[in-house]
Amino acid sequence: EDQVTQSPEALRLQEGESSSLNCSYTVSGLRGLFWYRQDPGKGPEFLFTLYSAGEEKEKERLKATLTKKESFLHITAPKPEDSATYLCAVRGSQGNLIFGKGTKLSVKP
Amino acid sequence: NAGVTQTPKFRILKIGQSMTLQCTQDMNHNYMYWYRQDPGMGLKLIYYSVGAGITDKGEVPNGYNVSRSTTEDFPLRLELAAPSQTSVYFCASTEAFNTEAFFGQGTRLTVV
Repeated sequence: EDQVTQSPEALRLQEGESSSLNCSYTVSGLRGLFWYRQDPGKGPEFLFTLYSAGEEKEKERLKATLTKKESFLHITAPKPEDSATYLCAVRGSQGNLIFGKGTKLSVKP
Repeated sequence: NAGVTQTPKFRILKIGQSMTLQCTQDMNHNYMYWYRQDPGMGLKLIYYSVGAGITDKGEVPNGYNVSRSTTEDFPLRLELAAPSQTSVYFCASTEAFNTEAFFGQGTRLTVV
């Protein structure tokens, strides 16, 4: 069964304190791993797509990496505006996205 | 370029009432999806469509119906609303099978 598990559920950081979010996945044939950011009361906003192990993508303070079993979202020197829930998803056999429950990130000034 | 637009943003229904959640996209995407998001849970797929005239069930389709008469529109119909359908509903679209999804802003539905 296709499955996505994210950890931790919640993460509190001080501004400037770098850390990583984890996404473990089980899927028969990876057709893409996706990271989204979701702000309260909003729809998920696309961040990155990774397709093969070893692939990395960066955007401002965020860097996503992929292995055969998990993905990491590294946050370098975060700012309060990075506070959000970060969602990880893999593409299922029906073409739909299978989501993890998310990691709620809070960055305090 | 508006992307994916959902209406309404909020709605309160009484048990047994019906309603349609509207979703339209202006990106000419063939693939469209309806998800629901419950507190502490990941988004769950309700129905999806790979093109006009084609729809199929997702993981949690019971109590819902969809139609896809045009590429742009993908309405979700709730018949005989139940408290278990209280949730936030998101519509999404993708250009192709394995590309990123674009989401609407969501509809927060409460059934009382």
